[in-house]
Amino acid sequence: GAGVSQSPSNKVTEKGKDVELRCDPISGHTALYWYRQSLGQGLEFLIYFQGNSAPDKSGLPSDRFSAERTGGSVSTLTIQRTQQEDSAVYLCASSLAFGQTNYGYTFGSGTRLTVV
Amino acid sequence: SQQGEEDPQALSIQEGENATMNCSYKTSINNLQWYRQNSGRGLVHLILIRSNEREKHSGRLRVTLDTSKKSSSLLITASRAADTASYFCATGRGSARQLTFGSGTQLTVLP
Repeated sequence: GAGVSQSPSNKVTEKGKDVELRCDPISGHTALYWYRQSLGQGLEFLIYFQGNSAPDKSGLPSDRFSAERTGGSVSTLTIQRTQQEDSAVYLCASSLAFGQTNYGYTFGSGTRLTVV
Repeated sequence: SQQGEEDPQALSIQEGENATMNCSYKTSINNLQWYRQNSGRGLVHLILIRSNEREKHSGRLRVTLDTSKKSSSLLITASRAADTASYFCATGRGSARQLTFGSGTQLTVLP
């Protein structure tokens, strides 16, 4: 597709349930990023994938969070045993990248997660 | 912790006026980027300025970078109501593989 696609756009889940968020990056973009944005706040880095390299998971807030990227394309962010503090907009971005940050990111529209 | 901090946090101006937003950061950078966000959803890349550049233009946007002061400014000239959005600066550092975003400036352009 022409842009970064995220699904679902909105997700309401009960506390304790697991959720999966999907990101389909721009074809040919080797780098994929997940960020989280709480209401009225800046972006918090979660995880970064670059080609076939091991992902940078340094931003994941707890072991309830995990992500994978299959075939160097689609990525899934999984949150297990969701808590209310997980409520946020989860943003995915992709870019042309060769180990540096010299390219602008293309963001998806995000998934708004609400844990009740 | 956030690398970039925008100032002011909120800015309200009349249509046709210029809007200036500032960003300060703490460590050395490869480049600094500005993004716009409408309605709390996806961000749109506006402009990238490299650490060896001092000024860059794109349409009604003008970005400056002062690496000695570790600061950047984004100027939007002849603002329009459609410019109403949150604006974020983001820094890229050589040792990091991801951008670090600031907390944003909420710009409101009144018609």
